[in-house]
Order: sequence, then structure tokens, then C-alpha cells
Amino acid sequence: GENVEQHPSTLSVQEGDSAVIKCTYSDSASNYFPWYKQELGKGPQLIIDIRSNVGEKKDQRIAVTLNKTAKHFSLHITETQPEDSAVYFCAASMRDYKLSFGAGTTVTVRA
Amino acid sequence: EADIYQTPRYLVIGTGKKITLECSQTMGHDKMYWYQQDPGMELHLIHYSYGVNSTEKGDLSSESTVSRIRTEHFPLTLESARPSHTSQYLCATTGVGSGYTFGSGTRLTVV
Repeated sequence: GENVEQHPSTLSVQEGDSAVIKCTYSDSASNYFPWYKQELGKGPQLIIDIRSNVGEKKDQRIAVTLNKTAKHFSLHITETQPEDSAVYFCAASMRDYKLSFGAGTTVTVRA
Repeated sequence: EADIYQTPRYLVIGTGKKITLECSQTMGHDKMYWYQQDPGMELHLIHYSYGVNSTEKGDLSSESTVSRIRTEHFPLTLESARPSHTSQYLCATTGVGSGYTFGSGTRLTVV
């Protein structure tokens, strides 16, 4: 099955700086790569996703890049704000079936 | 307004009791999932269903069971709760071309 590795496990950034989280996947057939944000006491929420026919996608301060050859994808958050503090998960799947999740990254934005 | 609902949000129960965690969605999706989230925040798939009367075990072995007799309802049952079952349980659903939508979770404590 698919194996997704996520790094780093914790990330502390100064408010206004950028945060980058990286994931690798093992199954070259995977074609769907979502990112989720989980705040304390809540379930994970989809924040951005990318499919394998696209190399980059941006939504305001959040962007995701995909390198199919190297089988890795990354989340970039620019101009970080305190409300960006949360746990972030990457995931991968083939044809919208069950997702394989990374282990999560705890992001702390220091004021 | 949430499209997927989990009840209860919190449950403290004694060892040996039978419990059912409820999950309902109003999105009409066929695919539903149960994840167990450990204190380190990793998400482990324990059950999934691709439609009515279809249930499968996930990647993490679990003593719980599930049923899917209606599209909108995917309850999880523990016949005899043990302290090792203490965890957060997250339900999710997904439609064609869309990412997962998670419920808010049930935090279970078995004493």
C-alpha cells in the first residue's frame, strides 16, 4: 500500500515568516494529494489539494507543489499568522479512494 | 454548518461496557471512514465503507465493528470497552472528486 512520510514533525516560526512542510509518497500510481489542518478539539479540515496533472496550486497565503518524478509534495504557508498554529497532515491516494496520511506536523507561530 | 456529525463529543465509560459511536452525513456520499487518532496525532484507518452493506477493515487492527445499513449512517461499536480503547475516533466521508470531510470526533476515555 501507499506509504506517506512527512517532515518535520514540529515547526516553530516567527509571525510573518514562511513555513514549509514536505511529504514523500511511495506509490507512483497515487494521483491525489490533499493537505489538512487540525485545530485543537476539532477534526481535520481540507485546506488545499493538488492532482497529479498539476505541478503547483496556490490559494492566498497557501501553496502546494508536486514533483511526480521525485514523488514528493510540499505545503508552503507565507506571511504566517498566529491562527496558522495547528497540526497539518499531508495525504495521498489513487482515484479518490482511501487516503494514506502522513504523521502530521505541529506548527507553532510565535508572535 | 457541518455536513457530518459525530456523537457524543466526549464519552467516559467503565471497562466492559458496550458503546456505540454515531456518525451521520447529509452529503449523500457512498464512501465513509473511521480513523483512530492517537495522542501523537497520527491518523490510523480502522474501518471503511464504499456503500450500503459494504464494510472493510482498515490498516490498523481494531476490536471495534461497524455497520452500514443506510447511506447516511456509519456507527462504530465496541462490545466490551477496555482502557486500551481510549482514543479520539474520527469519522469522515468523501464524494467523487472531493477530499475527505471529517466530523469533529469523539474523544473516548475508558476507565
